[in-house]
Formats: sequence, structure tokens, C-alpha cells
Amino acid sequence: KNEVEQSPQNLTAQEGEFITINCSYSVGISALHWLQQHPGGGIVSLFMLSSGKKKHGRLIATINIQEKHSSLHITASHPRDSAVYICAVRPPLGQGNLIFGKGTKLSVKP
Amino acid sequence: EPEVTQTPSHQVTQMGQEVILRCVPISNHLYFYWYRQILGQKVEFLVSFYNNEISEKSEIFDDQFSVERPDGSNFTLKIRSTKLEDSAMYFCASSVGTSRGEQYFGPGTRLTVT
Repeated sequence: KNEVEQSPQNLTAQEGEFITINCSYSVGISALHWLQQHPGGGIVSLFMLSSGKKKHGRLIATINIQEKHSSLHITASHPRDSAVYICAVRPPLGQGNLIFGKGTKLSVKP
Repeated sequence: EPEVTQTPSHQVTQMGQEVILRCVPISNHLYFYWYRQILGQKVEFLVSFYNNEISEKSEIFDDQFSVERPDGSNFTLKIRSTKLEDSAMYFCASSVGTSRGEQYFGPGTRLTVT
């Protein structure tokens, strides 16, 4: 069974700071997702990756398959980035169900 | 931009009652999922559905739960006899394909069992 661990659990930053959220998992995967959950509860998919690095605006996601580790970076953070960021992995076999981490609660202060 | 929709946004029900949560996945998607999130806890997989049948389910998805695609657009989750511990946010998601598709989540239905 895959365990997904995220760190830190909570993160407070000042506007403009560079932020890193880490995710590690215990067994092989076919893909890793980074998701954003806003206070209202809705979940938005940010990235799906299986190797290398992806960038979208101020967000960058990287994955190291050998080390079973992924990072989500936010450059020039802004208060509107405040949310819970969730790492989820998809097992190599099966029908696409995701195994979720507990999430990292990010608060960006102006 | 197409999106997954869910109704109702909030459902309050009494213990022992049946509830049906509804989802309309993105129209060209083929794979559908239900997840739940108990308040303060992580999101958990319930069931995946493809080609009009369950393709995978978790231990949580016991005989009290069922899923259905009653027409070409809706995807429903039924809880036959709700318990207090069923109180949670239920998310529907859909994807084009399991091996390559991102999963797109609906806004969730908050179920409160009293």
C-alpha cells in the first residue's frame, strides 16, 4: 500500500516569498498529481506528472522517480495562493484511483 | 471551459435515510470516480466506474453504497442507509483515460447525517 507524506503540514509565508512543498511516497506510481483545495472545499488539479518538471505560471512541479519524491514550488507568492495543496499518487496498476496525502495548508500574508 | 458539476451542494439527512448524490461529468470523459473527505481528514477513494460498471472500489465502498449512470450524462452515488460517520464532503471526478488523463473534480457535495 502506498503511503503519501507531505511536508510541511502548515506553512505561513510573506507575500513575495518562494515556497516549496514536498511530497514523498513509498512505492512505485504511474503518475503524481498536485491539487489545490480552497477553503470552500473545491479541488482543482494543478499538475499531473510522471517524470521531470512542469511549469504553469508561478507554479513549478518536479518529480524524482528514483527517490520517490516530488516538490511543488510557488514563486512570488501572493495571498490568493492561500489554500491547501494536496499531493496524490496513482498506482501503476488499477483504474486510476488516487491515493492522497494529508495536504499542506499554505497561508500567504500581505 | 467544461467542468464537472455536482448537486446538491449540501445535503442534510437523518440517520438511516437513503441519499443520492448526483454528478454530471465532462461530456467526453469515460472514467468516473467518487471520493470522500471527512472533515479534517485526507481525501479517500471510494469507487471508479468505466463502461457502465465498477472498475475498482475501496474497502470503504461496502454494500451500503452503489453507483449508477442512469442516463448518458448523470453519474450517481447512492448511500442506502446513512450513518453518522457518512458525514463528509463527497467529490465526483472524471477523466478521459486512466493512464493519461488528468482527473477533473466537481465542487463537492457536503453530506451531513444527523
